Amino acid sequence: GAGVSQSPSNKVTEKGKDVELRCDPISGHTALYWYRQRLGQGLEFLIYFQGNSAPDKSGLPSDRFSAERTGESVSTLTIQRTQQEDSAVYLCASSPGGSGHNEQFFGPGTRLTVL
Amino acid sequence: AQTVTQSQPEMSVQEAETVTLSCTYDTSESDYYLFWYKQPPSRQMILVIRQEAYKQQNATENRFSVNFQKAAKSFSLKISDSQLGDAAMYFCAHGWGAQKLVFGQGTRLTINP
Repeated sequence: GAGVSQSPSNKVTEKGKDVELRCDPISGHTALYWYRQRLGQGLEFLIYFQGNSAPDKSGLPSDRFSAERTGESVSTLTIQRTQQEDSAVYLCASSPGGSGHNEQFFGPGTRLTVL
Repeated sequence: AQTVTQSQPEMSVQEAETVTLSCTYDTSESDYYLFWYKQPPSRQMILVIRQEAYKQQNATENRFSVNFQKAAKSFSLKISDSQLGDAAMYFCAHGWGAQKLVFGQGTRLTINP
């Protein structure tokens, strides 16, 4: 497939557990973004990668949230000690990067439910 | 801070009719972009249309067009000849450089057959 892929599609976890969410961007896209979408809400920005560096982490809601990107490809969003308010859909997007604002191509998201 | 406001939580329209979704934004950027994304129940975000702020001409994509009023910071989406497949959440978004997108809260569009 040529699109952005995310895994797992759905994740149910117990409060206090750690979770890892994975994003595989479109090949060759240097920019990668994570967003969170709570039920019935718009998308909230979490973090932006350019290559393997994260020049903007301003949206991470607490130090329980972290993300990394390796090989200018796959990215992992980790949430430690999950809380019920972390329940949401986590969306990943990628874009070609470079100058100008390129269209962001979104994955199907991971629905996280914290019990 | 950049903000995007969609004042219509829900809209409905008869099939084949025309509907307009509203969006206003606030920005300190001089060079920026505006987008409308569609999100059907599958959760997949699909780009509907984009507008570069430096362009005076309103963008159009088949049945979709925008009314971009830069001075008023308004960016509405018009859908002509509405089809059942147009039913979805619609999000207005603002972006600049290669930075994040700032999204509105969305408008749920229902198409009545």
